Amino acid sequence: NAGVMQNPRHLVRRRGQEARLRCSPMKGHSHVYWYRQLPEEGLKFMVYLQKENIIDESGMPKERFSAEFPKEGPSILRIQQVVRGDSAAYFCASSPDPVGTQYFGPGTRLTVL
Amino acid sequence: DAKTTQPNSMESNEEEPVHLPCNHSTISGTDYIHWYRQLPSQGPEYVIHGLTSNVNNRMASLAIAEDRKSSTLILHRATLRDAAVYYCIPYSGAGSYQLTFGKGTKLSVIP
Repeated sequence: NAGVMQNPRHLVRRRGQEARLRCSPMKGHSHVYWYRQLPEEGLKFMVYLQKENIIDESGMPKERFSAEFPKEGPSILRIQQVVRGDSAAYFCASSPDPVGTQYFGPGTRLTVL
Repeated sequence: DAKTTQPNSMESNEEEPVHLPCNHSTISGTDYIHWYRQLPSQGPEYVIHGLTSNVNNRMASLAIAEDRKSSTLILHRATLRDAAVYYCIPYSGAGSYQLTFGKGTKLSVIP
């Protein structure tokens, strides 16, 4: 049973470009969570999605960030007009239900030049 | 969210047992105690969780105090691969779906 998959593993963008991060949950999991880890800091929750619905986006920055989890395909975290402060590791987790154990992917490391 | 207190760092010799403590005195009655670890440059890895009784799995054991205000993660024989930051996280999923990661304990394993 494959684990949570994220791609790309490393992403380099110049200031002002868009970044798209993809997350494929574990088989049978319909709940996806995104977390961000800034350099030398702990992981911070960003958003929780079920298929086609955003359930909790209390940790998402108000501008430039959006997330989706369509009926078909992976969950996408989209960052528009990236700035240097967006450089971080972005982790996705999935669970089979809202209270289930969250299993994490290997992360996408975003570097903004 | 329940506040947790863990030592910043600990050291262990390879093949020795390691006891990683966590205080969570404000834990609610419905919170399970979850432990995750994060190896360098990797995503968090689920280790174990429990509610009241001690729990064992292939990775570790979890000892939970009777009053549930503290718990201890036990690695029976530390290996170099166990060098990581260990986080204890009270979580129930009731009303909030986010795992709150504190600073954790950085475990170093000495060959």
